[in-house]
Parts: sequence; structure tokens; C-alpha cells
Amino acid sequence: AQSVTQLDSQVPVFEEAPVELRCNYSSSVSVYLFWYVQYPNQGLQLLLKYLSGSTLVKGINGFEAEFNKSQTSFHLRKPSVHISDTAEYFCAVSDLMNYGGSQGNLIFGKGTKLSVKP
Amino acid sequence: GAGVSQSPRYKVAKRGQDVALRCDPISGHVSLFWYQQALGQGPEFLTYFQNEAQLDKSGLPSDRFFAERPEGSVSTLKIQRTQQEDSAVYLCASSLGPRTSYEQYFGPGTRLTVT
Repeated sequence: AQSVTQLDSQVPVFEEAPVELRCNYSSSVSVYLFWYVQYPNQGLQLLLKYLSGSTLVKGINGFEAEFNKSQTSFHLRKPSVHISDTAEYFCAVSDLMNYGGSQGNLIFGKGTKLSVKP
Repeated sequence: GAGVSQSPRYKVAKRGQDVALRCDPISGHVSLFWYQQALGQGPEFLTYFQNEAQLDKSGLPSDRFFAERPEGSVSTLKIQRTQQEDSAVYLCASSLGPRTSYEQYFGPGTRLTVT
């Protein structure tokens, strides 16, 4: 069974500071990895995804993440945050074996609330 | 183009009432997923449709939960005899098809409060 652990439930940071949101996963098979952002009263928006290839993935809004297979991690980073980045961020995995079949449902972590202060 | 839409956005139900939550996926999307997001938690998978076929309902928490997608487009999640533990945000997501199920587009969700 797969699982996703987001190590920090809340991350406060000042505007223009760098931020890292941590994500670790467990899976017995290869997976696809994702980061989603959720603004208040809105649905989930895909920030970036890792499917294969380069382990450094760039996404929207200046975010990037690095896939580390040996540490089973997929941490999200941004070198300089803005007030508008305040939101909840979810890390998710999709089982490649299921993907190759008929499904591909996502397994999410519990989320990290990023609070950017002026 | 239009994204995934869900209605109603908010629903308050008294315990024991039945509710129906609607999802309009992106036109042409074959795959449709329902997730349940409890307060302070990440979304959890409920069920999956490929066109009109419900291929996986392993995440439905009880037999009070029922989902359908009769014509392969609009989907309805029905909860019978609602309980307080059903209070959550219900998210719908769609994708082009099984080969691109990782590229899921989410609706805004329906927040269900059972009193």
C-alpha cells in the first residue's frame, strides 16, 4: 500500500524568504508524484508533477520539486515567496501499476498550510 | 474552456436526510473520480468511472454512498441517511482518459455539513 507523509502541517514564512515543504512517500512500486495547491474555497490546482526523466521538476508560480528515489522524497521549494502563495499544499502519488491499467487515483498527504507574512 | 463544475457548492442536511451532489466534468473527459476531504485532511479516493462504467468503488465508506454516471458525462454522488461523519468537502475530478489519469482536473467541491 502506498502512503504520503507531509512532515509539516503548518509553515509560516516571511514574504520574499525561501520555503521548502517536505513530502515523503512509501510505495513498493514506481510512482508518479504530484504537488497540488488549494486556495480557500477552491478546488485543487496542479503545481507540478514528476512522471520520469529529470529529477528536478519545475512547475507554475515559480515552484520546483526534486524527486529523490533513495530517500523516497519529493520536497517542494520556492526561492522567494509572495503573499499570494498563502494556501494549502498537498503532495500526492499515483500508482504506476494502476495507471497502466484502468485507474490512476491519487493518494494524498494531509497537507501543509503555507502562511506568508509581510 | 469550462473546467469541472460541481453543485451545490454548499449543502446543509439534517441527519438522516438523503443528499445528491452533482459533478459536470470537462467535456470529452472519459475518466471521472470522486474524493472526500474531511476537515484538516487530504482528499481520499471514493470511486472511479471510465465513461459510464464504475470500475472502482473501493473507497466508498458505506453502502449509504452511491455514485452513478449514466451517460458517461455528468455524475451524481448520492448519500442516503446522512450521518455527522459524512460532513466533508466532496471533490470531483476528471481526466481525458485512463492513459492520462494522472492529469486530473478538480472541481471546486461541495461542502456538506450534516447537523
